[in-house]
Amino acid sequence: DQQVKQNSPSLSVQEGRISILNCDYTNSMFDYFLWYKKYPAEGPTFLISISSIKDKNEDGRFTVFLNKSAKHLSLHIVPSQPGDSAVYFCAASAYSGAGSYQLTFGKGTKLSVIP
Amino acid sequence: GAGVSQTPSNKVTEKGKYVELRCDPISGHTALYWYRQSLGQGPEFLIYFQGTGAADDSGLPNDRFFAVRPEGSVSTLKIQRTERGDSAVYLCASSLRPSMGGSSTDTQYFGPGTRLTVL
Repeated sequence: DQQVKQNSPSLSVQEGRISILNCDYTNSMFDYFLWYKKYPAEGPTFLISISSIKDKNEDGRFTVFLNKSAKHLSLHIVPSQPGDSAVYFCAASAYSGAGSYQLTFGKGTKLSVIP
Repeated sequence: GAGVSQTPSNKVTEKGKYVELRCDPISGHTALYWYRQSLGQGPEFLIYFQGTGAADDSGLPNDRFFAVRPEGSVSTLKIQRTERGDSAVYLCASSLRPSMGGSSTDTQYFGPGTRLTVL
């Protein structure tokens, strides 16, 4: 049972346009949401996060929106650049009760930005 | 400064063998996490260390998997009697403190992973 879902395995966007990556979750105990970016043969790199008490967080070209009632979040990249081409993972954090904040990841969306 | 490093980068073994995967976290990071990423999936949580102790091992799939962090720094993930289904990329992450994920001190920094192939 997937608690974090990224329903689009891939997305292609023209350079300079907006990229929108979507993520849905089912566990209402999640209290932090993160986006990680992954290049081939490298580990995931933290990109941006949002607390469950907020609905928007912005960092340069990257903005994450959270709709708690719909259990949906999205990552907007504008303008998209060829260097943004990577796999993007949505992740959610919840206190495990054993002292840790496990990250639960979606399956990822491969973004291709076409020059 | 140096990031999280993992060795080996690739490991090929035969079914039934024992393997050890090593993780060197960022210096000073007290929290260390192991994840496993199978083909076409996102990383899945295995185990979390705070200091030397395994505070949460709820993600370990069975008792063939074990991890240690004897001095609170380097960690080793050990897999006994490997099976073909264990083939995956094993990722290690560390954070300055237990991670909720919202600030620079909480962020989990990932290593490049060890690709394990069980033949």
